[in-house]
Amino acid sequence: GENVEQHPSTLSVQEGDSAVIKCTYSDSASNYFPWYKQELGKRPQLIIDIRSNVGEKKDQRIAVTLNKTAKHFSLHITETQPEDSAVYFCAAMPNAGGTSYGKLTFGQGTILTVHP
Amino acid sequence: DTEVTQTPKHLVMGMTNKKSLKCEQHMGHRAMYWYKQKAKKPPELMFVYSYEKLSINESVPSRFSPECPNSSLLNLHLHALQPEDSALYLCASSQQWGLGNSPLHFGNGTRLTVT
Repeated sequence: GENVEQHPSTLSVQEGDSAVIKCTYSDSASNYFPWYKQELGKRPQLIIDIRSNVGEKKDQRIAVTLNKTAKHFSLHITETQPEDSAVYFCAAMPNAGGTSYGKLTFGQGTILTVHP
Repeated sequence: DTEVTQTPKHLVMGMTNKKSLKCEQHMGHRAMYWYKQKAKKPPELMFVYSYEKLSINESVPSRFSPECPNSSLLNLHLHALQPEDSALYLCASSQQWGLGNSPLHFGNGTRLTVT
């Protein structure tokens, strides 16, 4: 099945700096890559997603890049703010046949702390 | 506002109790999910319903019994749980199961404690 590795596990930045979180996946059939933000005690919320026919997607201060050949994708947050502090999960989902079809596999998460 | 509603928010139950978790969505989504999340860990898939039929059971113990009465509702019946089953149980829905670019919308979860 699909395996997603996420790094780093913790990330501490100063307000205004950029933050980058990286993920790799194993199943070449994966073609959908969402990123979720989960604040303490709250539900995971989708912040951005990308499909495999797109190499980069941007939404204001957040961007995601995908390298399908290398099987890795990254989340970039610019001009970080204290309210960006949360746990961030990457995920991958294959939509072709196989045991991982239709299953969203999450990375282990990155605890991002933005210091004022 | 959360588009996926879960009740109760918190639940404490003994190992001999029977309880149910409930989930509701009115977005017209045809796929609904149960996830289990332990502290500081990612959500783990338990069950997937697609068009009200069970499509995935991730080898979940039979003490967890899912039910999908209609396209808007999803239940998780609990019986004879163990303390290690204590976790946050998240319900989610998506437009369709297995559809690329069909994001999951999570509810706020039920915080379950088994004593």
